[in-house]
Formats: sequence, structure tokens, C-alpha cells
Amino acid sequence: GAGVSQSPRYKVAKRGQDVALRCDPISGHVSLFWYQQALGQGPEFLTYFQNEAQLDKSGLPSDRFFAERPEGSVSTLKIQRTQQEDSAVYLCASSLRGISYNEQFFGPGTRLTVL
Amino acid sequence: AQTVTQSQPEMSVQEAETVTLSCTYDTSESDYYLFWYKQPPSRQMILVIRQEAYKQQNATENRFSVNFQKAAKSFSLKISDSQLGDAAMYFCAYRSREGGNKLVFGAGTILRVKS
Repeated sequence: GAGVSQSPRYKVAKRGQDVALRCDPISGHVSLFWYQQALGQGPEFLTYFQNEAQLDKSGLPSDRFFAERPEGSVSTLKIQRTQQEDSAVYLCASSLRGISYNEQFFGPGTRLTVL
Repeated sequence: AQTVTQSQPEMSVQEAETVTLSCTYDTSESDYYLFWYKQPPSRQMILVIRQEAYKQQNATENRFSVNFQKAAKSFSLKISDSQLGDAAMYFCAYRSREGGNKLVFGAGTILRVKS
């Protein structure tokens, strides 16, 4: 595809449910990032992959959050036993290389609402 | 850890006028990158302009330019000849040159354009 895509665009979960959010990066992009954006705030870093290797997961808020990118392309962010404070927009971004000046291209995000 | 501060929650500008959005940051690093991103209501984050800290010359992209003051750790965005399509949330972001690829975002400034 032409850009980063994410699915679903909207997800409503009951507290305690597990959710899985999908990110399809731009074809050929080596680096993939997940960010969490609370309402009215700037995105906050969650985790970073270079190919299939998860090089930085320092932003994951708890062990309920887990991300994977098994074949170095599509990535899934999983949240177990969702809590109300997990409600946010989850943004995925990809870049061609893991180089700081490379532009990160963002997807439209998944808005997660936990009831 | 690096922090980014945007002190203007909201700004308004008349169509065809000029507006400046403020951003300050805190870092102990000497080499890094700074970015302005635009996030329209559709949520897809778009890169507006990028500045390398080692370059003294301010970056310019058509109607968008920055005023980068390294000593003051200030990075403001000037939008000239404002258009209705410029209305969006604008985020200032920092990225280390070394030691990581994540973006650190400010809280954002909502820009309203009046016709």
C-alpha cells in the first residue's frame, strides 16, 4: 500500500478483555514504532522494532502490553486485561532505516475505548 | 531524559496572515533533530519540517519556516500566508542522533484559521 495502515480504526473493549491492534508498515521499511496518544496530548513512545528485533520496549507501561513483529513486516500490539486508563489512540509509524534523520510515516491510528 | 514543551494550547490566525507556534526543549545532547508534525482531525500525523541541530541555517519548506535558537533550546514554527487547510494540531518533536530513534513529542498546539 501507499502508506501505513492500521486496523481496526476503532475498538471498544470491556474492562478485562484482551485486544490486538494491527499495523501494516510501508513496504520495505525496516523500522517500526508504536506510540500511545491520550486525548488532547502528544504521542508517547511505546516500543521500537528494527526488522523483527524489538530493540526498545522501554515505553511499554506494564507487562500487560506486548508487541511483536515476527517476520519483520506486520506488527501487532496486544493489551491483556484492558483497563480504563488504556483508553487512547495507538499510533504506528514506520521508517526506511533506523537512522535518526529518516522520516517516520504515521498510520491513522486505532482509537481504543475501554468501558 | 529529553522533554519538549509547547506553551500555547491554542492559537488563532486570520486567513492569509502569519502565525508563530512556540516550542522549547530540554536536552544535554549536542547533536539531535527537531521536527514539526501536523495532525489534522483525521488523525494522520504528517511531517511539516525538520531541522538538524548541527545546521545553523533555519529550515524552510514553502510557507513553513523555523526559528531555531540552539543556545536557548527554542524551535518555533512560522506559518506564512495561512490557509484554511493549515487548521490542525501541531506537535513539536525531538529525536536523538545517537542512542535511539524514538520521537519525544510536546503536548501540541491547536491552530484555528479564521476566514
